[in-house]
Amino acid sequence: DIQMTQSPSTLSASVGDRVTITCRASQSVSNWLAWYQQKPGQAPKLLIYRASSLKSGVPSRFSGSGSGTEFTLTISTLQPDDFATYYCQQYDTYVTFGQGTKVEIK
Amino acid sequence: QVQLQESGPGLVKPSETLSLTCSVSGVSISGFWWSWIRQSPAKGLEWIGYIYYSGSTKYNPSLKSRVTMSVDTSMNQFSLNVRSVTEADTAIYYCAKGGEPPEDWGQGILVTVSS
Repeated sequence: DIQMTQSPSTLSASVGDRVTITCRASQSVSNWLAWYQQKPGQAPKLLIYRASSLKSGVPSRFSGSGSGTEFTLTISTLQPDDFATYYCQQYDTYVTFGQGTKVEIK
Repeated sequence: QVQLQESGPGLVKPSETLSLTCSVSGVSISGFWWSWIRQSPAKGLEWIGYIYYSGSTKYNPSLKSRVTMSVDTSMNQFSLNVRSVTEADTAIYYCAKGGEPPEDWGQGILVTVSS
């Protein structure tokens, strides 16, 4: 199994901050990496696929980078609607998710 | 706009079979992969597997011995069966369009395994 490890587990930030979440894979997943946002009581929503491709309709303040084993999700200017939990997911070999990073209000 | 809706029993007894259906609207099920994912406090998000409209499947190796997925193109829906369930199978079950990665998700259905 490919293990996905996110850091930090919780992140306290203010509206307007630049936020970066890291995801590390236990072995290379090339660029087969997606990021999701989940709010309480809702299903995860796809933000980014293939490590850096923004899904249509997702605000441009979200960006992804990385390849191989290390990836980042960046929110350039945090908005009130962005307080949520974020998950990375590899789909190179089967599919596995990270444990999540909760972005909370500071 | 694609919409997915999970349906099935919310309560299943241990050792029995969990059966769920995902009804798809807004797009034909043909030509796409379709996924099942579950989420629990203990395991987080766990991929169960996905199925192509033609019936080809790919399952999570840890669940493969108990899982079967199927597609009904005439009804525009797909289904999940998990056999011999235990309390560890209690989770919110999501269906989704796409396999790599799943891109549009249903709202989810809570399935509790309990006697």
